[in-house]
Formats: sequence, structure tokens, C-alpha cells
Amino acid sequence: GAVVSQHPSRVICKSGTSVKIECRSLDFQATTMFWYRQFPKKSLMLMATSNEGSKATYEQGVEKDKFLINHASLTLSTLTVTSAHPEDSSFYICSALDRGGEKLFFGSGTQLSVL
Amino acid sequence: AQTVTQSQPEMSVQEAETVTLSCTYDTSESDYYLFWYKQPPSRQMILVIRQEAYKQQNATENRFSVNFQKAAKSFSLKISDSQLGDAAMYFCAYHRQALNFGKGTSLLVTP
Repeated sequence: GAVVSQHPSRVICKSGTSVKIECRSLDFQATTMFWYRQFPKKSLMLMATSNEGSKATYEQGVEKDKFLINHASLTLSTLTVTSAHPEDSSFYICSALDRGGEKLFFGSGTQLSVL
Repeated sequence: AQTVTQSQPEMSVQEAETVTLSCTYDTSESDYYLFWYKQPPSRQMILVIRQEAYKQQNATENRFSVNFQKAAKSFSLKISDSQLGDAAMYFCAYHRQALNFGKGTSLLVTP
């Protein structure tokens, strides 16, 4: 089956630094990828929709200058958390939509801890 | 905006018994997809079952089946012959342009 690789699985960083999270579709082309944030024991909150070759569409309340999304190819989308603060600590999950637009595959998530 | 409501924060079922998780959603669209995802402690999202809105027939996947009532905008998940490995968070989700999740139901399976 289709696989989405998300890296790193866990990252610890200092306040003020930037962290990049990668999401790769390994055996299919994904024109659309989604980024979610999940707090402990809570649901997944959609942050943004990433379309290959165009600017990401951010959900209301999500700072686009804070969470930079790049979808430069049909197999790779990246989320960069800039000038990270402790309140950015969370579990981030990506998902990729196949070209048919019917199947959605999830990465294994990234636990970000900002000290 | 589409909203997905899961009214049961927690559910418990005895092993080998059947449990039903409820989900309702709000949309003005006629063509969309509905999903149930399972999230175990590993936090990997696992697709349980998928339903196309244009299909009247309820989707089934082995021990998992749904009761899809389009007019009522209801999409419940039935787990038959519950197993210990079914214990997890279950999320109902609506998809048209993006996947929107309900708040989840924590399922506990007791021996």
C-alpha cells in the first residue's frame, strides 16, 4: 500500500530556533498534502492545505509566517516552524492525497518539544 | 464550514461484544467522503473504513461496518466481535476539499 514518510519522528529544540518537518509520499504522487496539529488527547486540527507548485492555504488562526509550508514537488511537502516557542510544542501530522483525490495516507507524525 | 460531531468522548465494550460509535456531520454538499480512523497509542492514523456519499450501500470491512444515513447526516461505526486490539481513539472524518475530524471517541475494550 501507499506509504507516507514523515521525518523526524521526534525533535527537541531551543526557543527561537526553526525546525523543519518533511513529509514524503514514497510510491505515489501527491498533488495535495495536509498538515495537522494534535494536542494530547485531542483531535487533529487542520493547519493548512499544501498544493504542489502553489502557495499553501492556511486555516483561520494559523500564522502563515510562523508555519512555513513548501510543496516543491509531487512527493515532498515541508513544514517549518519558525522562531519556535514552547507553546508550539505539539504533535504534527501530515497526510497526502493521491492524484485520484480519493485516498488519503498519513505520516507517522512528529513530536515537537520546544524548550 | 463542515463540522463533525462525536458525542461520545469515551465508550467501553467487553471483548467479543459489539459496540457502536456515533458520528454526525453538517454539510450543504451532496458529494463527499466519510471516514473512520483509528489512532492507537503509537498515534499512527489507521484507516478503518471509508464511505462515498453517493453510495447508498453501507461500507463494511470485516468486523467493521457503518450505518450511513445521508438525510440525517449520520455516520455511525459498528465494531463486531470486539478485540483487545481495537482499543484506541476513533475519529470520524468528513472529506470534500480537506479532511475535517470530530473530537474522537476513546474506546476501551475489557477482557
